[in-house]
Amino acid sequence: GAVVSQHPSRVICKSGTSVKIECRSLDFQATTMFWYRQFPKQSLMLMATSNEGSKATYEQGVEKDKFLINHASLTLSTLTVTSAHPEDSSFYICSARRRGLAGRTDTQYFGPGTRLTVL
Amino acid sequence: ELKVEQNPLFLSMQEGKNYTIYCNYSTTSDRLYWYRQDPGKSLESLFVLLSNGAVKQEGRLMASLDTKARLSTLHITAAVHDLSATYFCAAPWWFDQKLVFGQGTRLTINP
Repeated sequence: GAVVSQHPSRVICKSGTSVKIECRSLDFQATTMFWYRQFPKQSLMLMATSNEGSKATYEQGVEKDKFLINHASLTLSTLTVTSAHPEDSSFYICSARRRGLAGRTDTQYFGPGTRLTVL
Repeated sequence: ELKVEQNPLFLSMQEGKNYTIYCNYSTTSDRLYWYRQDPGKSLESLFVLLSNGAVKQEGRLMASLDTKARLSTLHITAAVHDLSATYFCAAPWWFDQKLVFGQGTRLTINP
């Protein structure tokens, strides 16, 4: 199946610093990628939809100035957590949507996740 | 707004037993996804159900979809310890296909 990578897999940073997380689709082009956040023992919550070549669409309650998303190419989307605070500590998971061919349905492929710990 | 609800949220069962996880969703959706998540890991795709009446099976897991009832089920047959994980269902919302996830069902299978 298709592969989506994330980097880094784990990051620990000090409060007030910014952290960039990369999401790459390795063997297909993705015009749309999604960023999710998962707190311990909870479900995944969609943060934003990342669209190649245009601005991201943020879900209600997600601060776009704090969570900067850049989808500069068809295989790369980045999420930057600016001025991180301990409450931003979470598991961040991206997914990339692969267009279905010949009328087949689109499929989302999930990255392995990035665990962010803000001290 | 699409809401997806799973039950039960926690399930502890013995090896060899059968059980079913239920996933209800609030508005019309033409497909339903099931995922498995192990502790500290990301999601593993299990099933994609694309139409009313769809049934898919993989090993001891079988998933079905009833779009009229807005209900999907994940049935576990003769559970084994390796199936211990958290299982999520998800439905796509609107044309941009962003996924709305259920709360997850934490399944523990005891020897």
